[in-house]
Amino acid sequence: AQSVTQLDSQVPVFEEAPVELRCNYSSSVSVYLFWYVQYPNQGLQLLLKYLSGSTLVKGINGFEAEFNKSQTSFHLRKPSVHISDTAEYFCAVSAGETSGSRLTFGEGTQLTVNP
Amino acid sequence: DSGVTQTPKHLITATGQRVTLRCSPRSGDLSVYWYQQSLDQGLQFLIQYYNGEERAKGNILERFSAQQFPDLHSELNLSSLELGDSALYFCASSVATSRNSPLHFGNGTRLTVT
Repeated sequence: AQSVTQLDSQVPVFEEAPVELRCNYSSSVSVYLFWYVQYPNQGLQLLLKYLSGSTLVKGINGFEAEFNKSQTSFHLRKPSVHISDTAEYFCAVSAGETSGSRLTFGEGTQLTVNP
Repeated sequence: DSGVTQTPKHLITATGQRVTLRCSPRSGDLSVYWYQQSLDQGLQFLIQYYNGEERAKGNILERFSAQQFPDLHSELNLSSLELGDSALYFCASSVATSRNSPLHFGNGTRLTVT
């Protein structure tokens, strides 16, 4: 079975500062990895995904993530955040062919960007 | 807008009651998923349907059931409701069931059991 651990439940940062949201996964088979963002009172929106190929993945809104197989990590980064980036961020994994497209999510990280 | 529509947005009901949550997937998507989001358990996968057939089951209670209709919309039925069933219920859809089919989420139905 696969699992996802988001190492920080809350990350407060100042506007225009860089940010990294950490995600580690556990799986005995190959994985596809995803980051989703949830704004207040909304559903989850796909930020980016890693399926194969380049380990550096670029997504929407200036976010990027790096897949590190040896460290089983998929950390999300943004070089300069805006107030509008305040939201909850979820890391998710699809592991093994039997899991198909359904996802296992981490607990979420609340990013709060302060002026 | 993800294209996934969930109704109602809010639902308040009493313990012991039964409710039905409805989901219309994005146009062209054949697969529907239900997730429960609560403060203590996070996002939990409940069940998946593909083109009308149950495809996978997660942490879904026996009091809960779902189905996907020929027009591809789905309903999640929750019965004998308990206080602990209060949560945000999300529906998601995808084109297929392969691992590279991203999920598109609706805005959820917030269920409050009193």
